[in-house]
Amino acid sequence: DADVTQTPRNRITKTGKRIMLECSQTKGHDRMYWYRQDPGLGLRLIYYSFDVKDINKGEISDGYSVSRQAQAKFSLSLESAIPNQTALYFCATSDGARGVGELFFGEGSRLTVL
Amino acid sequence: GENVEQHPSTLSVQEGDSAVIKCTYSDSAPNYFPWYKQELGKGPQLIIDIRSNVGEKKDQRIAVTLNKTAKHFSLHITETQPEDSAVYFCAASMGTGNQFYFGTGTSLTVIP
Repeated sequence: DADVTQTPRNRITKTGKRIMLECSQTKGHDRMYWYRQDPGLGLRLIYYSFDVKDINKGEISDGYSVSRQAQAKFSLSLESAIPNQTALYFCATSDGARGVGELFFGEGSRLTVL
Repeated sequence: GENVEQHPSTLSVQEGDSAVIKCTYSDSAPNYFPWYKQELGKGPQLIIDIRSNVGEKKDQRIAVTLNKTAKHFSLHITETQPEDSAVYFCAASMGTGNQFYFGTGTSLTVIP
């Protein structure tokens, strides 16, 4: 089983719908992240959390919200999806005890907003 | 925030040749520079990293060099193999772990 699991892997939805992407991890890491990947733009940080009570905005947080339900779970919500939120979304984790270091990514959630 | 530029965006090499991907960063002082490989349909995976107190690091066929004066760092892959075909991302971090600035990616194709 994957250490970082994202659900759903693919989702097609309509403009205005509420969407939740879920991430769970078995690595025991304290830090979790949500990134968005668009062709030609690389990976951009949406939100990150260093522990259950810590939530921080990244560079492109507008239109998104997150919830850290437990150390192992970090969900991303789009309250009212719009077409330019069509992208590939990645959850990642890292071990804060090691300081800045390797990010472990899930396999991605492809979201299409019509 | 930090701006990381990555070149080239696409790269094709013959099997056995070397591949070089370059990244530059802007005005901040990042101290951690990882490289990630993303295979089709998968998430990025770390292949090598370097910290600012080191100029070069090598792991088998992969090496990374860092030039802090010129603010650029490069990934070198020697003796390329078809399984090296993937998208490669550079990144830079200030060291607090909260923000990794990624390059825009290089799609590498190794032609058998």
